[in-house]
Amino acid sequence: EIVLTQSPGTLSLSLGERATLSCRASQSVSSTYLAWYQQKPGQAPRLLVYGASSRATGIPDRFSGSGSGTDFTLTISGLEPEDFAVYYCQHYGSSRRVTFGPGTKVDFK
Amino acid sequence: EVQLVESGGGLVKPGGSLRLSCAASGFTFSDYSMNWVRQAPGKGLEWVSSISSGSSYIYYADSVKGRFTISRDNAKNSLYLQVDSLRAEDTAVYYCARAFPYGSGWYLDYWGQGTLVTVSS
Repeated sequence: EIVLTQSPGTLSLSLGERATLSCRASQSVSSTYLAWYQQKPGQAPRLLVYGASSRATGIPDRFSGSGSGTDFTLTISGLEPEDFAVYYCQHYGSSRRVTFGPGTKVDFK
Repeated sequence: EVQLVESGGGLVKPGGSLRLSCAASGFTFSDYSMNWVRQAPGKGLEWVSSISSGSSYIYYADSVKGRFTISRDNAKNSLYLQVDSLRAEDTAVYYCARAFPYGSGWYLDYWGQGTLVTVSS
């Protein structure tokens, strides 16, 4: 079973700064099945990126995903107030089961 | 507009049961696989179960296998999760989510607001 590790656990940044979030898989995975979600307090998660680098509908282009193999990155180029949230990576496995990473919290410095 | 509305959560004693429901609207429900994902208080996301559009394929997380049963009624545009033999560690907000097909897999593109299940004596 694939285990996803996210780092850092918390990222403290200021408005306008660039955020770089890491997701590492315990073994090589297809980038086709790697996604990122955003969750704000009291809200349901929202799909940001799928296929490692494709933005979901309505997601601003300041969000970008990249990576392959075991290392994937979500980059937010220029933090806006609404971007302070928790971000989860997710993998869809060959066993038809889904794994989420533990999350990275992006908060105000 | 796609909408998913969960209901059925509540306070239940250890060993008890609940039936969670998710009412879908704004899309052709019978075309999509559906999922349940849960989140314990202050914790991360945990996938629970998925069901294919015609109910032919059903999958569970190991943590709930044998205790939870997913089902759907396409005529009623509804998804269900029967949760039995509940434990304290099942306390969580339970979300239903639509599966967006991609490659031979899927992603969760729409989520409900969740229903809280609290297991406590």
